[in-house]
Amino acid sequence: QSVLTQPPSASGTPGQRVTISCSGGRSNIGDNSVDWYQQFPGTAPRLLIYGFYQRPSGVPDRFSGSKSGTSASLAISGLQSEDEADYYCAAWDDSLSGVVFGGGTKLTVL
Amino acid sequence: EVQLVESGGALVKPGGSLRLSCAASGFTFQNVWLNWVRQAPGKGLEWVGLIKSKTDGGTTDYAAPVRGRFTISRDDSTNTLNLQMNSLKIEDTAVYYCTTDGNESYFDDWGQGTLVTVSS
Repeated sequence: QSVLTQPPSASGTPGQRVTISCSGGRSNIGDNSVDWYQQFPGTAPRLLIYGFYQRPSGVPDRFSGSKSGTSASLAISGLQSEDEADYYCAAWDDSLSGVVFGGGTKLTVL
Repeated sequence: EVQLVESGGALVKPGGSLRLSCAASGFTFQNVWLNWVRQAPGKGLEWVGLIKSKTDGGTTDYAAPVRGRFTISRDDSTNTLNLQMNSLKIEDTAVYYCTTDGNESYFDDWGQGTLVTVSS
C-alpha cells in the first residue's frame, strides 16, 4: 500500500488530454513539493515534472503539473502513442522522514 | 553528460550480504546529494535512502524497511556511491538505481540499475 495514491491505469486516444491524480496528506503533498517520473518498460525512470509544475529541459510542454490541497495531478495534452508508459508521483514525507512514491499509473494510448 | 553506472547486483541467499556500487561522471560529484531507489519485479518505485554531500554534513537517511541493515557511503575521491546490504531478505529482491538529488527535484538523473535477487 503506497503512501501516495494513484489510479493503477489510465487511457486515452491520440490527441486527447489525460489527467493522472496523486493523492496524499498534509505530511507529504500538503507541505512538500511533488515530482513526476515517466518509465518505459525495461528502462530507468526519468524526471518529468518537479516542484509541482516545473519541466526539465527536453520535456515537451504537453506535460504539465498542478496541485490542489493535498493532491497533485499530471496532465498530458495532445496525447501521443509514445506517451504510453508508467507514471509515478513522489514527495518528501515529514512523518516518515523520507521520499514516498505513488503506486504508479500505467497509461495506455488506445 | 551525467552518467551513473551501477554494478554489483547478484543472486544472494537470504541472510547474506551484498555491496552495490555506482560510478558517476559528468558532474561535480562531491557537491551532490545521492540516492538509492529500488523497484521489485513488476512493482513500483521505492526510495531506499540518501547521502548528503560532505559540505552538508555527509549524513544519511534510510527508508524504514532497510534501516539498520543497509548502509550508504560515498567516496568523493573516486566519484563512487556505495550501498552495503546486510541481512538480506527475499523482499529486497529488486532493481537498484542510483540517482542524483536535484536542487529542486528529488531524483534528477538515474543509472540503468542493477538487479539484486535474494533467493535460497
